[in-house]
Amino acid sequence: GQSLEQPSEVTAVEGAIVQINCTYQTSGFYGLSWYQQHDGGAPTFLSYNALDGLEETGRFSSFLSRSDSYGYLLLQELQMKDSASYFCAVRDKGNTPLVFGKGTRLSVIA
Amino acid sequence: GAGVSQSPSNKVTEKGKDVELRCDPISGHTALYWYRQRLGQGLEFLIYFQGNSAPDKSGLPSDRFSAERTGESVSTLTIQRTQQEDSAVYLCASSKGLAGESEQFFGPGTRLTVL
Repeated sequence: GQSLEQPSEVTAVEGAIVQINCTYQTSGFYGLSWYQQHDGGAPTFLSYNALDGLEETGRFSSFLSRSDSYGYLLLQELQMKDSASYFCAVRDKGNTPLVFGKGTRLSVIA
Repeated sequence: GAGVSQSPSNKVTEKGKDVELRCDPISGHTALYWYRQRLGQGLEFLIYFQGNSAPDKSGLPSDRFSAERTGESVSTLTIQRTQQEDSAVYLCASSKGLAGESEQFFGPGTRLTVL
């Protein structure tokens, strides 16, 4: 089976940088994804890493180390609207659905 | 359509009643997924459909839960003899395919409350 670990809550100051870590255990590996979910909303896709290294998309970056079964989401220049839950998700085979972590609730404070 | 749609948006039912939840995926998306999300919790995989292949039902919590999909279009999730523990938001998602496909598009969800 698969398991994912991420912190349950993180608080950061507006304008700062925050890193949300995710470690996973899977029988195989087919990529690590990150989703954002605002309260009462649907999850929306942020990023996907299939290979080691850093992927940057605007203020958000995602990193993967397959040898360490570890990844993180980096949010820069935090804004109040970034307050949301962030989920990492993995697919352990090409024909299986994503399995999600329990999510990290990010609170951005002034 | 422009995105994944789900109906109803809210459903309140009495314990023991059956409910049907509907999902309309994005046109052309061959893969469709159902997830359950309890308040403040993560997404719990229930079932997924991929084209004409047999669905992966490995996440269904009990035989009271079932789902169908007509071709590559609408899907319905049925919960029989509902229990209070079934109260949650039921999210549907679709994607273009699975192999190499990384992004799932989620619908707004159906909030189910069992009294």
